[in-house]
Amino acid sequence: DGGITQSPKYLFRKEGQNVTLSCEQNLNHDAMYWYRQDPGQGLRLIYYSQIVNDFQKGDIAEGYSVSREKKESFPLTVTSAQKNPTAFYLCASSPTRGYEQFFGPGTRLTVL
Amino acid sequence: QKEVEQNSGPLSVPEGAIASLNCTYSDRVSQSFFWYRQYSGKSPELIMSIYSNGDKEDGRFTAQLNKASQYVSLLIRDSQPSDSATYLCAVNMLKAGGTSYGKLTFGQGTILTVHP
Repeated sequence: DGGITQSPKYLFRKEGQNVTLSCEQNLNHDAMYWYRQDPGQGLRLIYYSQIVNDFQKGDIAEGYSVSREKKESFPLTVTSAQKNPTAFYLCASSPTRGYEQFFGPGTRLTVL
Repeated sequence: QKEVEQNSGPLSVPEGAIASLNCTYSDRVSQSFFWYRQYSGKSPELIMSIYSNGDKEDGRFTAQLNKASQYVSLLIRDSQPSDSATYLCAVNMLKAGGTSYGKLTFGQGTILTVHP
């Protein structure tokens, strides 16, 4: 089955710890995106990548880091510098930059 | 100033009625427009794409685009309780030279409730 997978579904982290969220796609899409969604809020763009080994900051990149070493994978690291990391994290991919995006199931991160 | 605006709702309609969701955007040269449906606790799902002025129909859904007035709408005919969700409007905005920023700009979403 083609699609976007995110793991884990739920993640609990202690304050001061870095944590990495996985996003993999087998749709052969060039572009990949990371969003954050807080309860009752819209989507906020963290980072995006249009090609392997290249990525751009979104609107709220502080406290996050990414890599794009393979076309299929775009992991997000939430660092201890992120002040309020508890949120729903969504990964998306797009066949062409700026066009329709398809979302993974999301990872719900809770900082204890 | 927000670039993509939607009424947050909630919009409440009775079962079987037409639900009308609206979205306005600030960039005159935007080319691609999308509607997503997001159930509570789930990820957004693409339900409609529209690229040119006019109407586009897909089953009970109709997207309407008016670039001159800078709005895009989504009509849901014969609304069902299963349509209750948040609907997100997204726009591919272009730079002055006509190239894409390479990302979509999302509205805050409209909560739709369809009651039996």
